[in-house]
Amino acid sequence: DTAVSQTPKYLVTQMGNDKSIKCEQNLGHDTMYWYKQDSKKFLKIMFSYNNKELIINETVPNRFSPKSPDKAHLNLHINSLELGDSAVYFCASSREFSGNTIYFGEGSWLTVV
Amino acid sequence: AQTVTQSQPEMSVQEAETVTLSCTYDTSESDYYLFWYKQPPSRQMILVIRQEAYKQQNATENRFSVNFQKAAKSFSLKISDSQLGDAAMYFCAHTPYRGSQGNLIFGKGTKLSVKP
Repeated sequence: DTAVSQTPKYLVTQMGNDKSIKCEQNLGHDTMYWYKQDSKKFLKIMFSYNNKELIINETVPNRFSPKSPDKAHLNLHINSLELGDSAVYFCASSREFSGNTIYFGEGSWLTVV
Repeated sequence: AQTVTQSQPEMSVQEAETVTLSCTYDTSESDYYLFWYKQPPSRQMILVIRQEAYKQQNATENRFSVNFQKAAKSFSLKISDSQLGDAAMYFCAHTPYRGSQGNLIFGKGTKLSVKP
């Protein structure tokens, strides 16, 4: 069973559309994250949730809105998609923050055309 | 600001040989964690090895080991007996023990090629 699963894995959409990426973890972790990997493969955190509470919100346009219905799920909704949003988005989770191993999903490759 | 620097954008190693990937970091914290993640062409981020800064002993996982030099803020990864399946992007990452809220800070990666 996949520990951190995210859907869809591939998404091609037009500028201006709204899209969501779903993430679920079955590891019983308290903390979940969204990371973005750009075209140069640079990885950077976007959001972190601990027990459904937003902990980290890095400098991300407010077109990006994470939603955590429960501690096993952290979805990412993106409004008014722009070309620059094209990237691979990774969901991740850890048992608790501050140093424990972070487990990543397989990534969702978003292409905005 | 906390940063992670991987000075080798690309490396190449012959199958069965040993290669070392370098990583330096900058932090004002005294307790923190360091990681090496592997990203093969499938894009999956796979944990290779983890080091706790308060432990002087270098972490080892089978063919993978680190050389952790805390004073120099250096955390290199050694891959012994390289295999074709080791070909991937390798990312060094760092997170403070407290206060980071799990914010992994990544280097820009080193692309490792393994020659048969």
